[in-house]
Amino acid sequence: DIQMTQSPSSLSASIGDRVTISCRASQSISRYLNWYQQKPGKAPKLLIYAASSLQSGVPSRFSGSGSGTDFTLTISSLQPEDFATYYCQQSYNTPCSFGQGTKLEIK
Amino acid sequence: EVQLLESGGDLAQPGGSLRLSCAASGFTFSSYAMNWVRQAPGKGLEWVSGISESGGRTHYADSVKGRFTISRDNSKNTLYLQMNSLRAEDTAVYYCAKSPSGSYPNWSDYWGQGTLVTVSS
Repeated sequence: DIQMTQSPSSLSASIGDRVTISCRASQSISRYLNWYQQKPGKAPKLLIYAASSLQSGVPSRFSGSGSGTDFTLTISSLQPEDFATYYCQQSYNTPCSFGQGTKLEIK
Repeated sequence: EVQLLESGGDLAQPGGSLRLSCAASGFTFSSYAMNWVRQAPGKGLEWVSGISESGGRTHYADSVKGRFTISRDNSKNTLYLQMNSLRAEDTAVYYCAKSPSGSYPNWSDYWGQGTLVTVSS
């Protein structure tokens, strides 16, 4: 099974900051990497699929990059509504494992 | 508008069974693979199971293999998860999620609101 490891596990940042979250796969997954945002008590929301494709309706301040084993989610200028938990997920093969999550909090 | 509405979550005893349902609308259900993803209280997301658009191919996490069965009724636009031999560690919110195509594996582009399963004596 492929293990997904996110860093950091938590992060404090201010409105307007540029934020980067990392995700590493235990083996190469090409570009089969997706990012989700989850707010408390809500279902996850797809942000980025196939490493760098922005899901329809998602603000352009979100971007993804990487291939192979190392991937990054970047938020270019944090907005109040961006404080949430972020998960990466590989869809290279089953089980379609998730990272442990990165909680983004207000500084 | 894509809508996924889960139901069937309840309190169950260890060793018991539950059947979750997910009613889909707003898209051609029979053309898309579907998933179940769960989240234990205060924990992260865990992929549980997936099924191809026809139902001919199914996939399971090791943690539920042999105990859970995913299925679908394309005539009723409904996804199911039969959960047997329940354990305390199965306690979680269970989400139904749609894939962007019929192929699998894939990401999940739409999610339901979730249904809570609690396993306790």
